[in-house]
Amino acid sequence: DSGVTQTPKHLITATGQRVTLRCSPRSGDLSVYWYQQSLDQGLQFLIQYYNGEERAKGNILERFSAQQFPDLHSELNLSSLELGDSALYFCASSPQAGGPVDTQYFGPGTRLTVL
Amino acid sequence: ELKVEQNPLFLSMQEGKNYTIYCNYSTTSDRLYWYRQDPGKSLESLFVLLSNGAVKQEGRLMASLDTKARLSTLHITAAVHDLSATYFCAVGAMDSNYQLIWGAGTKLIIKP
Repeated sequence: DSGVTQTPKHLITATGQRVTLRCSPRSGDLSVYWYQQSLDQGLQFLIQYYNGEERAKGNILERFSAQQFPDLHSELNLSSLELGDSALYFCASSPQAGGPVDTQYFGPGTRLTVL
Repeated sequence: ELKVEQNPLFLSMQEGKNYTIYCNYSTTSDRLYWYRQDPGKSLESLFVLLSNGAVKQEGRLMASLDTKARLSTLHITAAVHDLSATYFCAVGAMDSNYQLIWGAGTKLIIKP
């Protein structure tokens, strides 16, 4: 158990809908990262927040947005969902902003199925 | 642009054998991670390699880093079924505040 929690574990929804995924980082970690992993695909980095501020952006679609709250938990919002958005969404956290000795610890993931 | 290539992408091997997974990257970095992922599960950090020549070992797994060759290896000794998983390497991009660039993963199946 990495100490990173994600809810919900599973989510089934329809095309065109909007969902929110939630992540609580490990105690003391300031950075939160979001990743998408499609079936049999590698990890796609979406976005990073550090202490409430957006730090880095990866391949995040305009339909997706995220934020990190003062208590450091983070939410990933996915809207106008398409079949291709079906994937495992991981949250990871790290103590710092991604410096030389910053290890990312991954949560259990949220499996999103869009029908 | 920093690119990370792992090979092989798929490996099926017998228990008791040795094998090596390679992780090549395209630009300067002195920080490399290896992660393990079981099917449908999360990613678990295995090793962090922080300098040229770094070598770390845990059980039957040994990872090394050659920053001059831009190459890391993950060596499996006398493989056992429990090591079946997908292994990812990730490289810290020095020119992007060490954002991690991920390899595609190596799916390892170890047959009894």
